[in-house]
Amino acid sequence: LAKTTQPISMDSYEGQEVNITCSHNNIATNDYITWYQQFPSQGPRFIIQGYKTKVTNEVASLFIPADRKSSTLSLPRVSLSDTAVYYCLVGEASGTYKYIFGTGTRLKVLA
Amino acid sequence: ETGVTQSPTHLIKTRGQQVTLRCSSQSGHNTVSWYQQALGQGPQFIFQYYREEENGRGNFPPRFSGLQFPNYSSELNVNALELDDSALYLCASSSGQGVRVYNSPLHFGNGTRLTVT
Repeated sequence: LAKTTQPISMDSYEGQEVNITCSHNNIATNDYITWYQQFPSQGPRFIIQGYKTKVTNEVASLFIPADRKSSTLSLPRVSLSDTAVYYCLVGEASGTYKYIFGTGTRLKVLA
Repeated sequence: ETGVTQSPTHLIKTRGQQVTLRCSSQSGHNTVSWYQQALGQGPQFIFQYYREEENGRGNFPPRFSGLQFPNYSSELNVNALELDDSALYLCASSSGQGVRVYNSPLHFGNGTRLTVT
C-alpha cells in the first residue's frame, strides 16, 4: 500500500528558502509526484508536479532523486502568505485508482 | 474558465440521516474524485468517477456512494450518518484518463463542511 510521510510542521522566516521532503517508498513506476498547498477552509491548490530529477515553475522547484522514493518541494524566498499546509500526493497502481495524500506539513512563516 | 464549485458550503445533519453533496466540475474536466478531510488531517480519498462509472475507491464503507452525470457534475451520498462523518468534504476534477491519470493535476472546490450531531 502506497504511503507518504512528511514532517508535521516547519517554521521559517520571510525571505528564506524552505525545503519540505516527502517520502513515498512504494511509489508506482508510472506515477508522478504532485504537491498541493492548502489554506484554512479552502480546497488544496496545485503547486507543482514531477516524475524525476528537477522541475521548476514560477512558484516552486521539485527535486526527485533517481530512486524516486522521496521528493523535496523547495519554496524560494517565502513570504507570510506562504503560511499554509503542504501535501505531497502519489497514486496507487493496484488495478483501480486510489490517491494517497501525505500527512501534510504545516508551514508557518514568521516576519 | 469556471472552477470547481460545491454545494452547500455548510450542512448540519443528525446521526442516522442521509445527505447528498454536490459538485460541478471545472469546464473540460471529465474525471471527478471525492475526499473526506477531518479537522487537522490530510484529505482521504473516497472514490473517483470517470464517464459516469466509479473506477477507484478508498477505504470507505458502501454507505458512501456517488454519481457522475453526463455533464460531469457529481454527487456524494452518505447514508446512515455517524458522528465520525463530520468533516470537510472536497470534490476535485481533472482531465484525462488512462495509465497516466495520476498525472493530471486535481482542481479542488472549497468543500462542504458537514456536521453530524
